[in-house]
Amino acid sequence: EPEVTQTPSHQVTQMGQEVILRCVPISNHLYFYWYRQILGQKVEFLVSFYNNEISEKSEIFDDQFSVERPDGSNFTLKIRSTKLEDSAMYFCASKGRGGEQYFGPGTRLTVT
Amino acid sequence: AQKITQTQPGMFVQEKEAVTLDCTYDTSDQSYGLFWYKQPSSGEMIFLIYQGSYDEQNATEGRYSLNFQKARKSANLVISASQLGDSAMYFCAMREGNQGGKLIFGQGTELSVKP
Repeated sequence: EPEVTQTPSHQVTQMGQEVILRCVPISNHLYFYWYRQILGQKVEFLVSFYNNEISEKSEIFDDQFSVERPDGSNFTLKIRSTKLEDSAMYFCASKGRGGEQYFGPGTRLTVT
Repeated sequence: AQKITQTQPGMFVQEKEAVTLDCTYDTSDQSYGLFWYKQPSSGEMIFLIYQGSYDEQNATEGRYSLNFQKARKSANLVISASQLGDSAMYFCAMREGNQGGKLIFGQGTELSVKP
């Protein structure tokens, strides 16, 4: 069964460093998303991407964040200069023609 | 106001019994979608079930069913014949408006299944 994959599963970085989180959405899906979940809290929307451009972003998604779909399969989230409060689980999700959004297994980002 | 409300922070259920996890939502859109996800201790978000606002039948997926009461704006998840492996956090979520819209999540309910 097709699934969303994410790499790495865990990333540790120092404050101020750049990180890139990678996702491979389900191949025939059209909509792509990044969400994050700070430990013990609910899942929060960051950004959605459709037709090669951002379709919506939250107030969390400031100038430090960017997304890219560099080829036909990968979807990346870049954080330019990480802060301690960026520590969270980051989920990629994708949606096809149906209503369902499928999530990847997540990348746990730890900023020290 | 909260868009998605899950009023049960924690629930216990005996193995093989059925359990209902509550979810109410708030939207003025006519077109929306309701979702339930399971998050085990390993952290991944597992899609369980989806209900569109125009769907007339309640959604079912195996042991999961969604009790959709539009007038009451509730979308409760019913798990029948609970198993030990059902112990996890369960999140209700809503998508407003167009099909590609973001999901808004509730705070979650932690379900513990007792042997």
